[in-house]
Order: sequence, then structure tokens, then C-alpha cells
Amino acid sequence: EVQLVESGGGLVQPGGSLRLSCAASGFTFSDHYMDWVRQAPGKGLEWVGRTRNKANSYTTEYAASVKGRFTISRDDSKNSLYLQMNSLKTEDTAVYYCARGIADGDGDNWFDPWGQGTLVTVSS
Amino acid sequence: EIVMTQSPATLSVSPGERATLSCRASQSVSSNLAWYQQKPGQAPRLLIYGASTRATGIPARFSGSGSGTEFTLTISSLQSEDFAVYYCQQYETFGQGTKVEIK
Repeated sequence: EVQLVESGGGLVQPGGSLRLSCAASGFTFSDHYMDWVRQAPGKGLEWVGRTRNKANSYTTEYAASVKGRFTISRDDSKNSLYLQMNSLKTEDTAVYYCARGIADGDGDNWFDPWGQGTLVTVSS
Repeated sequence: EIVMTQSPATLSVSPGERATLSCRASQSVSSNLAWYQQKPGQAPRLLIYGASTRATGIPARFSGSGSGTEFTLTISSLQSEDFAVYYCQQYETFGQGTKVEIK
């Protein structure tokens, strides 16, 4: 069974840092792009960023709202994805989901599956 | 940046009826569109990709259509488990969601 399990969420003060992890199982993790998507309380979905696979040089992309503050990394030997979040703001409060990104090579991409999410609360 | 606009924001439907949800892109995205279902307290679930291909395990009552800038998700006969929020997605952009509620 393909599964993604996030961890590391919690309460952090504005300006603080937090590192989220996502453990993958049931598929060849190293072959796939991996993404982070977040959802503020009562709001819609917002893409956070992506790490591509080794074949695509592990390149990363970020949403403008987090660029320069968040860093995505992966450890293929541990089937794990990470999100290092620095300089956190109250508006970063959200449930953070990791998701496997699937690209068809023709410009299309989608996310499947998703983890259950981990809540990050930024508050003083 | 492409903007995805979903309508309506809320759709009230009786069980057994058809539901039609719309998603409009601010510029052509060809057939590069996915749909997700999200129930309260749960992660989103992929329903449709490539505008019209059902994901593994998705019931046939869910269908997607459209290309270019106009897309539709149709639920042919709503079941109790289908009342949820539905999102469209193109690359890194999600629509704001349509909530399907019981009429």
C-alpha cells in the first residue's frame, strides 16, 4: 500500500523554525517528485513546493509566499521528505501535507497520494 | 501565473441527483487538470487527472470533461459519501473549492 506519513508539526513562535518530515512506503520513493501542500484553517489548498527526483537533479521549486524561508530536501536512502521552515509567520499556520507528485512529461502533473497532514501553528 | 476559478462556491444537491461543478482557467491549460475530493478532517483524494481520467478506485459516477479553459466535474448520482469539498488543480495552482452539501 502506498503511504505517506507526516510528522514534526506543533506550536512555534513567530520568527521561529520547524522541520517537518514525511515518511514514504509502498513505492519506489527515489523515482518520484515529492511536493508539500498546505491548508490554513477553514481555507483552501496552497502548493508550497516540490523536489524533483535524482534523474532531474533533485531540483526544487517554491511558492512565492515561502521562497527564501522554506527549504525542501529528501533522503532517498530513508524514503523521507523534509520541509525546513524558518522565519515563520502567523500566516504560515496550516495543516501541511506531503504528496507524491506525478508528471506525465507533457506538462501535466497531479498529486497522489497525500499524507494525513501535520498541523503547524505559529503563534505567540 | 494561471488562476483557477471554481463555481459555484456551494452546491446544494439531494442524494441521487446529479451534481455539476465547474473550473475555469485564466488561460489555456490544454487537458492538464486534476480534481480532488476532501472530506472534513481528511486529506484530499485524487479523483480525476488529465481532465477526464479517473484515478484508481474512483467510482464511475465521477466523470471529468473539458479542455482549454473550461472544465467540469460531474457526479452522476450523489451518494451520501460524496458530500465534500472538491478542488481543481493545474500544476501548482488550486481552485478555491466547491462545497457540495445536502439539500
